[in-house]
Amino acid sequence: DIQMTQSPSSLSASVGDRVTITCQASQDISDSLNWYQHRPGKAPRLLIYDTSNLQIGVSSRFSGGGSGTDFTFTISDLQPEDAAIYYCLQSDNLPYTFGQGTKLEI
Amino acid sequence: EVQLVESGGGLVKPGGSLRLSCGASGSTFSRYTMNWVRQAPGKGLEWVSSITTTSNYIWYADKVKGRFTISRDNDQSSLFLQMSNLSAEDTAVYYCASDGDTTVLSGVWGQGTTVTVSS
Repeated sequence: DIQMTQSPSSLSASVGDRVTITCQASQDISDSLNWYQHRPGKAPRLLIYDTSNLQIGVSSRFSGGGSGTDFTFTISDLQPEDAAIYYCLQSDNLPYTFGQGTKLEI
Repeated sequence: EVQLVESGGGLVKPGGSLRLSCGASGSTFSRYTMNWVRQAPGKGLEWVSSITTTSNYIWYADKVKGRFTISRDNDQSSLFLQMSNLSAEDTAVYYCASDGDTTVLSGVWGQGTTVTVSS
């Protein structure tokens, strides 16, 4: 199975800040990486697919990059509503595997 | 917009069984591979199972293989997860989620249904 190592596990930032989360895959996954936002009691929400593609309707404050084994997810101009847990997901190989999650506090 | 609504969760004793359902509104259900993803209390998201549009291909996480069965009824726009021989480790919120036009798990997600395995 492909292991996804996500960091940091938590971070605290202020409104207007820029934050970056990383995910490292245990083997090459090409660009098959998604990023999700998950608020308590809500359905996970896809933000970025295939490493860097912004899902329709998602703010351009969210962006992603990387390839192979190392990936980044950035939120710029942080807003209070960005408080959530963020997960990466590799879909290159079954079983699909998520990172451990990053809890973002604003 | 398509919506997914899970049902069937509840409290079940260890070794028991439960059948989850996921109903879809809209006419696009049959176009997409469907998935179950779960989140145990205090833990992250975990992929459980996937089924292709015509049920030709089905995959399971090793943890549930042999105990869980995924199925779908495209005429009824419904997805199912039959769970048996449940243990405390299966306690989680179970989400159904669709693939989308772009990639795996890029479509709609439901709000989840809670399964608690406890004596």
